[in-house]
Amino acid sequence: DTGVSQDPRHKITKRGQNVTFRCDPISEHNRLYWYRQTLGQGPEFLTYFQNEAQLEKSRLLSDRFSAERPKGSFSTLEIQRTEQGDSAMYLCASSPRGALDEQYFGPGTRLTVT
Amino acid sequence: QQQVKQSPQSLIVQKGGIPIINCAYENTAFDYFPWYQQFPGKGPALLIAIRPDVSEKKEGRFTISFNKSAKQFSLHIMDSQPGDSATYFCAASAVDNQGGKLIFGQGTELSVKP
Repeated sequence: DTGVSQDPRHKITKRGQNVTFRCDPISEHNRLYWYRQTLGQGPEFLTYFQNEAQLEKSRLLSDRFSAERPKGSFSTLEIQRTEQGDSAMYLCASSPRGALDEQYFGPGTRLTVT
Repeated sequence: QQQVKQSPQSLIVQKGGIPIINCAYENTAFDYFPWYQQFPGKGPALLIAIRPDVSEKKEGRFTISFNKSAKQFSLHIMDSQPGDSATYFCAASAVDNQGGKLIFGQGTELSVKP
């Protein structure tokens, strides 16, 4: 399978704990996006990278959130001191150099904060 | 200005019917309008997309109609099948001056009855 992959698929954590998610984009896609989706809503943009550079962060991305893409390949999204309001599906998407607007999504990581 | 409004929220059709989902936007900088299909527990899958220089695009049973002056676009599903039952999201982006982040509508839950 050469699609976008995300790990883990599900994560249950207690309030106050830190969690980290990983996204592996489609090979040679140079843009990588993170979105958050809550039940019954469309995905909301969090941040995106072009190669290793983080070019934009949404106001939704509080100081407790940090994202990296150290070598321009995979990316990680870390949430520190999780809160119940962080419970959501975290989606990663990537787009190729020749068609930057075509975003292909991974299966997502479902986070539940208890 | 960044919103994309989608209707209806839910839709039930008989097999073979033609469901129509509508979206409206305000930001005239948007230049790419994709539709995504999402099944429960899965990430959104890119279905079809259109740019403002054309008024209609067909791919298989899926058609997008685009009205630039009204800032509206819609998805038509011809000969709908029970397997088309899913949530559909419209989206919009402006890749050149806004990084290509997708702004999603609220989603339409489609049910196709056999």
